[in-house]
Amino acid sequence: QVQLVQSGSELKKPGASVKVSCKASGDSFIGYAMSWVRQAPGQGLEWMGWFNTNTGNPTYAQGFTGRFVFSLDTSVTTAYLQISSLKAEDTAVYYCTRGYYDNSGFYYSDYWGQGTLVTVSS
Amino acid sequence: DIVMTQSPDSLAVSLGERATINCKSSQSLFYSSNNKNYLAWYQQKPGQPLKLLIDWASTRESGVPDRFSGSGSGTDFTLTINSLQAEDVAVYYCQQYFSPLITFGQGTRLEIK
Repeated sequence: QVQLVQSGSELKKPGASVKVSCKASGDSFIGYAMSWVRQAPGQGLEWMGWFNTNTGNPTYAQGFTGRFVFSLDTSVTTAYLQISSLKAEDTAVYYCTRGYYDNSGFYYSDYWGQGTLVTVSS
Repeated sequence: DIVMTQSPDSLAVSLGERATINCKSSQSLFYSSNNKNYLAWYQQKPGQPLKLLIDWASTRESGVPDRFSGSGSGTDFTLTINSLQAEDVAVYYCQQYFSPLITFGQGTRLEIK
């Protein structure tokens, strides 16, 4: 049984950076994609982009370029989301997911992490 | 971007009855070369990771109770939950993957009447 276990809640000041981790157990990432999804308070799900574990290439959705970085450490089966220059509007729960993909892009997620709440407040 | 619109935003159904959630896309999710609709359904319960229920519009994931079913094609899709159980209380989301820019519906909150 695959589990994605994310790091704990974070409270950051505007302008700071945060790195959220997502460790996979029960299976590796190889052959799958990793994606990140944001859910702002009281809002729906917003797809941030995905990481091709085969090529090592990230793809960022519109609105998630520049300050957002996806990475992967296969040696510890852990995916990372780093957000720099944090703003109040980055306050949200961030989910990692494992999913399927092909040459045309990401498909759907078969496993989700439990979510990490990042709060940005002065 | 493909806009996904779910209806209703919330619904209350009696135990043992049927719940129907609709999802409409702003463009067709059907790919004729492989005869597939690029749509998934997820369940979100408080404090739990989201769960994949249905992919390719109608393929139920392993372990998902058979009271859950997905149907539809093109731009109109439905998630049906037959014989509603108390544990089905959740928010349900549809997601399209026809476009490289993945988008979700706004969610439908299902409660017990």
